[in-house]
Amino acid sequence: SQKIEQNSEALNIQEGKTATLTCNYTNYSPAYLQWYRQDPGRGPVFLLLIRENEKEKRKERLKVTFDTTLKQSLFHITASQPADSATYLCALARFGNTPLVFGKGTRLSVIA
Amino acid sequence: DGGITQSPKYLFRKEGQNVTLSCEQNLNHDAMYWYRQDPGQGLRLIYYSQIVNDFQKGDIAEGYSVSREKKESFPLTVTSAQKNPTAFYLCASSMRQDSNQPQHFGDGTRLSIL
Repeated sequence: SQKIEQNSEALNIQEGKTATLTCNYTNYSPAYLQWYRQDPGRGPVFLLLIRENEKEKRKERLKVTFDTTLKQSLFHITASQPADSATYLCALARFGNTPLVFGKGTRLSVIA
Repeated sequence: DGGITQSPKYLFRKEGQNVTLSCEQNLNHDAMYWYRQDPGQGLRLIYYSQIVNDFQKGDIAEGYSVSREKKESFPLTVTSAQKNPTAFYLCASSMRQDSNQPQHFGDGTRLSIL
């Protein structure tokens, strides 16, 4: 069956460290993978999109990698801050132009 | 500012009652979506629409209905047939229904049963 798994429900890290979140998928062939941030009681906000032929994408302190051989995407936040505390969701399409499927998310807490 | 507006923020439903959740966007997007989010769960797709007067069922459409009479509006009705409607409902839109298009979300409606 098709699955998207985000490595853990919750991740706690110290301020200033790099947070690394994992998104694994099985039985998908995504051309694109997206990452979103969701704060409590709010809708998700789009952060980054990475294409299957891109190994890495950066935006300010954020970095996303996409390994179609391992069927995995890693999401990094460098020099993390308490304001980065939120739930982070990965999303991909089963194939072609089908709707996105979202993972359950990882709740990141950055401790000062 | 362009964006998506969901209303109301909180909604209460009595047993056997239908309720309608509003979603309006001024982003001129063709595609719109409705998701349900339960605690500890990811977003699950209820319905989506790629164009006016057309919509498709998502993974959990039973007990829900939608309409897309205008490009800007995509209301969701939670019918009495939906036996477990308590959840956080999110509406989203994208320029096209395409996996390389980011989705823009509203701030949700929290539905509870009285």
